[in-house]
Amino acid sequence: DAKTTQPPSMDCAEGRAANLPCNHSTISGNEYVYWYRQIHSQGPQYIIHGLKNNETNEMASLIITEDRKSSTLILPHATLRDTAVYYCILRGQGAQKLVFGQGTRLTINP
Amino acid sequence: DAGITQSPRHKVTETGTPVTLRCHQTENHRYMYWYRQDPGHGLRLIHYSYGVKDTDKGEVSDGYSVSRSKTEDFLLTLESATSSQTSVYFCAITTTPDWAYGYTFGSGTRLTVV
Repeated sequence: DAKTTQPPSMDCAEGRAANLPCNHSTISGNEYVYWYRQIHSQGPQYIIHGLKNNETNEMASLIITEDRKSSTLILPHATLRDTAVYYCILRGQGAQKLVFGQGTRLTINP
Repeated sequence: DAGITQSPRHKVTETGTPVTLRCHQTENHRYMYWYRQDPGHGLRLIHYSYGVKDTDKGEVSDGYSVSRSKTEDFLLTLESATSSQTSVYFCAITTTPDWAYGYTFGSGTRLTVV
């Protein structure tokens, strides 16, 4: 799996949009971009994933650049409960495992 | 999470003793994974299973063995526990790696080897 680069930490005010960047300049054509988050002491939770197109679900939006070398996870209206470590992961189609990096520790401030 | 349970939730054991952690699922998912999480290392894959009796190694498999004799249970065994295996262990399941809803993780087992 190709490598991703994320900032180690970010802060965001409650109620604002949280934009978490991820660089994956060596991504392959068949690799999906996945986002998970881990709230303190809990198991990671799946958020969203995409290949080329932007994606949106009830939790977040995923914006992937046209060259696919970077992406941004957007939490539109961050709440205190969104404080967590967010992982950006690449997974090739058919690959049987996820490889986690260090992630971004997002702190939502009141 | 509903559908996946890990046991025990906490365990303290002595160096050199055998330890078995259990992951149980009620989702009939084919794939099951064991990860460990340590400060400064994030989540690292130990072993995974892609079917009954079908398992493979992850990036940190030394000192661990696994077994999957039925779909719902995936056991992780430390044959002779060492202090370096003190960690939080997470199990995960998915029906296929490409499944749209990703992996579901358990709540973790905190293992302390003294």
